[in-house]
Amino acid sequence: KNQVEQSPQSLIILEGKNCTLQCNYTVSPFSNLRWYKQDTGRGPVSLTIMTFSENTKSNGRYTATLDADTKQSSLHITASQLSDSASYICVVSASGGSYIPTFGRGTSLIVHP
Amino acid sequence: SAVISQKPSRDICQRGTSLTIQCQVDSQVTMMFWYRQQPGQSLTLIATANQGSEATYESGFVIDKFPISRPNLTFSTLTVSNMSPEDSSIYLCSVEGYRPRDNYGYTFGSGTRLTVV
Repeated sequence: KNQVEQSPQSLIILEGKNCTLQCNYTVSPFSNLRWYKQDTGRGPVSLTIMTFSENTKSNGRYTATLDADTKQSSLHITASQLSDSASYICVVSASGGSYIPTFGRGTSLIVHP
Repeated sequence: SAVISQKPSRDICQRGTSLTIQCQVDSQVTMMFWYRQQPGQSLTLIATANQGSEATYESGFVIDKFPISRPNLTFSTLTVSNMSPEDSSIYLCSVEGYRPRDNYGYTFGSGTRLTVV
């Protein structure tokens, strides 16, 4: 069964600090992995998308890494801002067959001033 | 303008009634997806809506409870019928990314927060 596990479930940090969110998956055969940011009361917004051959990808202060061998990904947020407070969702898609992606439950990040 | 316009953004409904959620996309898309996000849970796919054919429902979801319309390539509706408090959730429509600035990822509507009392 395809699964996506995220950790931690929630995280509280001070403004200006860095943090790293984790995503482990069992989706196979792997096609791509996406990180989304979901603000409270809003729909998820895409941050990055990574395919099998990509190890790291940055989008501003967000840097995602992918280790396809260990089936792990991380999302690193640098110099956090209050606006980074949101839920971060890891989404993994399989290739060849079902187009339905598998969603993680998300990590709830709170940035305090 | 928004890529996907979803409405209503929130509603409080009486049990036994029905609510129809609308999604308008700013470009023609083949498939539109409807998701449910219960508190503290991941997104769960309800159904896939194709223009001109019946929607395809996932296990645990049935047409009588969640009828879907897809009259054209830019619009879809999801109805939550005969609601009970267990239907309280966020409902989201989505399309597969077709714009580079979205990283070709799925694009989501802003969601409808439904509370059934």
